[in-house]
Amino acid sequence: SAVISQKPSRDICQRGTSLTIQCQVDSQVTMMFWYRQQPGQSLTLIATANQGSEATYESGFVIDKFPISRPNLTFSTLTVSNMSPEDSSIYLCSVVRGFMNTEAFFGQGTRLTVV
Amino acid sequence: AQIVTQSQPEMSVQEAETVTLSCTYDTSESDYYLFWYKQPPSRQMILVIRQEAYKQQNATENRFSVNFQKAAKSFSLKISDSQLGDAAMYFCAYRRVNNAGNMLTFGGGTRLMVKP
Repeated sequence: SAVISQKPSRDICQRGTSLTIQCQVDSQVTMMFWYRQQPGQSLTLIATANQGSEATYESGFVIDKFPISRPNLTFSTLTVSNMSPEDSSIYLCSVVRGFMNTEAFFGQGTRLTVV
Repeated sequence: AQIVTQSQPEMSVQEAETVTLSCTYDTSESDYYLFWYKQPPSRQMILVIRQEAYKQQNATENRFSVNFQKAAKSFSLKISDSQLGDAAMYFCAYRRVNNAGNMLTFGGGTRLMVKP
């Protein structure tokens, strides 16, 4: 298994500001992902965090709005920039140990409310 | 593109009874993985069960089992002897088998309520 610490667990932010969410894993992992879960909805992949290079974003998500860093194999951050109420969601970090591993582990999520 | 569909937004089951949650998916791949995840109110995503598409035998984990119908692209979850702690959102998920991407595609979810 993998122990994932995601911070903060929740936050209430003013519109126009930015929030950085951290994801720390207890051991090295190959793949790290960021998902968004809008209220009452399923999980949607934002991007794959690549170590040492730019993240790979899914359609509908852009780097200017959701900059991602991954400086090493155990840590990543997701920033939600210039927030609006529509950004109110749960943001989840997910990891996969290796390319041949099937199981994905998740952090406990960050509940973001933008007012 | 892969699409995962859960046609039951909500399901209800009596404690100790059996319930089946439905999931269908669409893919052109011949090999892939399927998963059921549970998300209780704590928000923590918990893997319930997984199935490799190349395996004909249905996966089983204690009270949880799947009915995998590859030709029909169907992957239902059966929960036997339902317990109050089973109440949660359940998500069906698909993953390709390659090195380019290990990300999951999720269905819309089914909220399971367990009545005492």
